[in-house]
Amino acid sequence: EPEVTQTPSHQVTQMGQEVILRCVPISNHLYFYWYRQILGQKVEFLVSFYNNEISEKSEIFDDQFSVERPDGSNFTLKIRSTKLEDSAMYFCATRQRGSADTQYFGPGTRLTVL
Amino acid sequence: AQRVTQPEKLLSVFKGAPVELKCNYSYSGSPELFWYVQYSRQRLQLLLRHISRESIKGFTADLNKGETSFHLKKPFAQEEDSAMYYCALSRNSGNTPLVFGKGTRLSVIA
Repeated sequence: EPEVTQTPSHQVTQMGQEVILRCVPISNHLYFYWYRQILGQKVEFLVSFYNNEISEKSEIFDDQFSVERPDGSNFTLKIRSTKLEDSAMYFCATRQRGSADTQYFGPGTRLTVL
Repeated sequence: AQRVTQPEKLLSVFKGAPVELKCNYSYSGSPELFWYVQYSRQRLQLLLRHISRESIKGFTADLNKGETSFHLKKPFAQEEDSAMYYCALSRNSGNTPLVFGKGTRLSVIA
């Protein structure tokens, strides 16, 4: 069964550095999402993406964050200047089409900002 | 704004005992409700959704709009049910994100 994949599985970075988290969606999926989960807290929505543009974003998704699908396969989340509070698990999710379809989650990337 | 509440962080039950994981939601519209499960070292995966009205791995959940609840139930817990369970809601209007509860860790004791 096809799965959403994410790289890297763990990223350690210094505060102020840029990081790019990558997601490879399931091939026929059209809707893409990023969520994050700070340790001990709930999974929170960051941004949704469809047809090469942002559909919706949360308050968390400020100017430090950006998403793109540069090559038609990878779906990336960039954090320009990381802060300590960006340390979290970042999950990519993808959905085929239609409101009735399930979101399938990747295994997550653990980001640690020192 | 939408909100999902799972009042229990941890629920421990003995093997063979009934399980009920509580979920309450707050949303003024007509939501779609889900239960996701995360087994140890695995990804979040959909367990069931209210529109399907099906039983997965012996689990069922009924949407109660009057009580704004979507509790997850299983009559006889098994050790392999031990996992994190997340209740989630989406606005039933197309490409909308999931709003998650904090999750309940279910521990089934042999």
